[in-house]
Amino acid sequence: EPEVTQTPSHQVTQMGQEVILRCVPISNHLYFYWYRQILGQKVEFLVSFYNNEISEKSEIFDDQFSVERPDGSNFTLKIRSTKLEDSAMYFCASRRLEDEQFFGPGTRLTVL
Amino acid sequence: GNSVTQMEGPVTLSEEAFLTINCTYTATGYPSLFWYVQYPGEGLQLLLKATKADDKGSNKGFEATYRKETTSFHLEKGSVQVSDSAVYFCAQRNSGYALNFGKGTSLLVTP
Repeated sequence: EPEVTQTPSHQVTQMGQEVILRCVPISNHLYFYWYRQILGQKVEFLVSFYNNEISEKSEIFDDQFSVERPDGSNFTLKIRSTKLEDSAMYFCASRRLEDEQFFGPGTRLTVL
Repeated sequence: GNSVTQMEGPVTLSEEAFLTINCTYTATGYPSLFWYVQYPGEGLQLLLKATKADDKGSNKGFEATYRKETTSFHLEKGSVQVSDSAVYFCAQRNSGYALNFGKGTSLLVTP
């Protein structure tokens, strides 16, 4: 069964460094999402992406964040200069035309 | 604004016990509602959904009914199994298809 994959499973970085979180959505899906979950808090929507552009973003998704689909398979989230409060689990999701979003297993980002 | 509130966990039950996890929402209009489940080390998986008032979503013995009058979507299962141990997330879908989640409720089922 096709699934969304994410790499790495755990990323440790120093404050101020750039990180790129990678996702491979399901191959025939058209809509892509990033969510995050800070420990002990709820899963929060960051951004959605369709047809090579951002279709919706939350107030969390400020200028430090960017997304890209550099080729036909990867979907990336870049944090330009990480802060301590960026430490969280980041989930990628994708969907085709129907309602259901399929989620990846997440990348745990730890900013020291 | 739109929000989802679900009961705090962890919830610990014995096998074959009855499960209820409460979920209420606030929204303008009538959003689609979902329950997602996350097993250890895995991503969020859709468990069930309901797209309009009075709809009942069901899957794997779990069910939830979209109650407009109480703005609720409580998750129930008549007899839980050890394999149901996971974190359960209630969510609503906004107009742009982004999901708005609750905090999640951890369920531990003991033999």
